[in-house]
Amino acid sequence: KQEVTQIPAALSVPEGENLVLNCSFTDSAIYNLQWFRQDPGKGLTSLLLIQSSQREQTSGRLNASLDKSSGRSTLYIAASQPGDSATYLCAVNRKGYSTLTFGKGTMLLVSP
Amino acid sequence: DAGVIQSPRHEVTEMGQEVTLRCKPISGHDYLFWYRQTMMRGLELLIYFNNNVPIDDSGMPEDRFSAKMPNASFSTLKIQPSEPRDSAVYFCASSLARGSGSETQYFGPGTRLLVL
Repeated sequence: KQEVTQIPAALSVPEGENLVLNCSFTDSAIYNLQWFRQDPGKGLTSLLLIQSSQREQTSGRLNASLDKSSGRSTLYIAASQPGDSATYLCAVNRKGYSTLTFGKGTMLLVSP
Repeated sequence: DAGVIQSPRHEVTEMGQEVTLRCKPISGHDYLFWYRQTMMRGLELLIYFNNNVPIDDSGMPEDRFSAKMPNASFSTLKIQPSEPRDSAVYFCASSLARGSGSETQYFGPGTRLLVL
């Protein structure tokens, strides 16, 4: 059974800092890994999707890396802004399955 | 496209009542997923459909839960009878088929259910 763990559970940083969110998964036989953002009281918004054959994906100030063999992914946020405050969730799509297994998320607060 | 649409956005009901949650996926998407989110357990998959056919309902907690997808543009999740422990946010998501080049799941805004 795939298990996804996200560390830290919560993070508070001042505006402008670069930060890293971590995600680990137990079964390396994955099809892809996705990072989502969830604002309070809202649904999830997809940020980045990394296929199992890829090492990283970038979108603006966000960069996600994938090390499948070690079962790890990181989401790097450069020059954080108060608008980045949200919960960030990592989700893994296993090979042979069409479903996602989610971590419990990292709650990020960026202070002005 | 308007994205995934869910209704109602909020539902408050009393224990024992029937609850029906509704979802309209993004047009053209092949897959539809129902999730439940709680503080304790995070996001859990309840059931998913491929081309309107239920594929895996192993996440449905009990027989009190049922889901249908009568056509490509509509799905329901029903709880009968509801219990306080069913209180959670229920999300619907849809996606294109694997290999399509875009397998991202798109989520609706969720239905916040409170069972008293």
